[in-house]
Parts: sequence; C-alpha cells; structure tokens
Amino acid sequence: NAGVMQNPRHLVRRRGQEARLRCSPMKGHSHVYWYRQLPEEGLKFMVYLQKENIIDESGMPKERFSAEFPKEGPSILRIQQVVRGDSAAYFCASSTNRDSGNTIYFGEGSWLTVV
Amino acid sequence: SQKIEQNSEALNIQEGKTATLTCNYTNYSPAYLQWYRQDPGRGPVFLLLIRENEKEKRKERLKVTFDTTLKQSLFHITASQPADSATYLCALDMSYSGGGADGLTFGKGTHLIIQP
Repeated sequence: NAGVMQNPRHLVRRRGQEARLRCSPMKGHSHVYWYRQLPEEGLKFMVYLQKENIIDESGMPKERFSAEFPKEGPSILRIQQVVRGDSAAYFCASSTNRDSGNTIYFGEGSWLTVV
Repeated sequence: SQKIEQNSEALNIQEGKTATLTCNYTNYSPAYLQWYRQDPGRGPVFLLLIRENEKEKRKERLKVTFDTTLKQSLFHITASQPADSATYLCALDMSYSGGGADGLTFGKGTHLIIQP
C-alpha cells in the first residue's frame, strides 16, 4: 500500500507568489491533517479535514492560508502571497477515522523555501 | 494552553545501553500520548501509543510509561543500536479530554545519538 503522498517535496517561491502543496492520503483514509514544522520548532497542527469539509482549522493563520479536501483528488494547502516566515516543512497526515487513539500516518513532507 | 517539554539537548548513549527519553506536560492530562520517530528530511513515523488508563506499553525493544500524577511519559529503547539514532517526538491528543483542537500537540523532540 502506498503511504501518504505529498508533492512537491521541495518548492521554492519568491515573496508574494503562491504556494500549493498537495497531499494524497493513504488508501481508505478519509481524514487529513496538515502540520507545519519551522526550523528548530516542533510540529504545529494547522487544519483537520474530511472529504469536502473543514473540521478544525484552529491552527491555521487567519490570512493567506487555506486548505481543502475535495470529493475527488488530493487535499491542497494553499499559501497566498508567501513571505520568508512561511519557509518551513509542511507535513500531511491521514487516518481512517477520528476515534480516540487512532494512529495517524505522516507523509514525507513538502519543504517550502521563500526567497 | 498545553505545553510539552522534551529535553532539547542531544542525548548520547553507548550502543547496547538503554536510552531513556522524557516527555513532561503541563495542565490537564491527555486522553492518550504517542511517541514518534523522525529522521532528518523525513516525516514522523508512529512508534507507540499509551492511553491515560495505562501505565506501561511495550513493543519489541521499546517501552513507554505514562504517569498522570507526575504528568510525565518516559520512552525507553533497550539494547540500543546506532540505527536508533533519530529525533523522538512526544505528542498528546487532547480531544477527548476536552482540551482543544482535533490535532495532536507535539513536543520539539529529543535528538538521540547511539554511539558504536
């Protein structure tokens, strides 16, 4: 079984451009999570989605960031008008459901560099 | 808000010895606690989960304890090997304790180095 697939693995954007990060969950998983890892920082929860629904976006910055998980296709994390502070590793994770103790599986991450 | 503390200093252990990593948290206890391994440039990999009503959990050379009185979890690797060298992350799930968001709260991790 393929794991959680993220692309691109590495992305370079100039300040002001848009970044789109894609995540295909593991087969059979309908729950997707996005996390951000800044240099020397821990993983920070951003958003939790199910198909066509945002369940919890309490960790998302209020501006420039958005996420979706359409009925068909991968989940997308979109960052508009990127700034240098957005440079980080963005990890997607998926799970089968949201039961207590359910394991989530991470992808290998997308490394965004803003120049 | 919940804070998680893991030793930020790298931990150097001689091969064959037991490595013990610590995870302390503040405030209320989570529904469960997880440990992950992360290698440079890679995503976290799930290792073990322990629930609030469990004291200890084992998996091969790994052992996790959970003390809700001390608000602490210990992660042990016995008979350590150089291949165990990585960063180990502690993560708490607060959702079923009414603690907050649906996501996991992660510590910054402890870098473990097993020396041959």
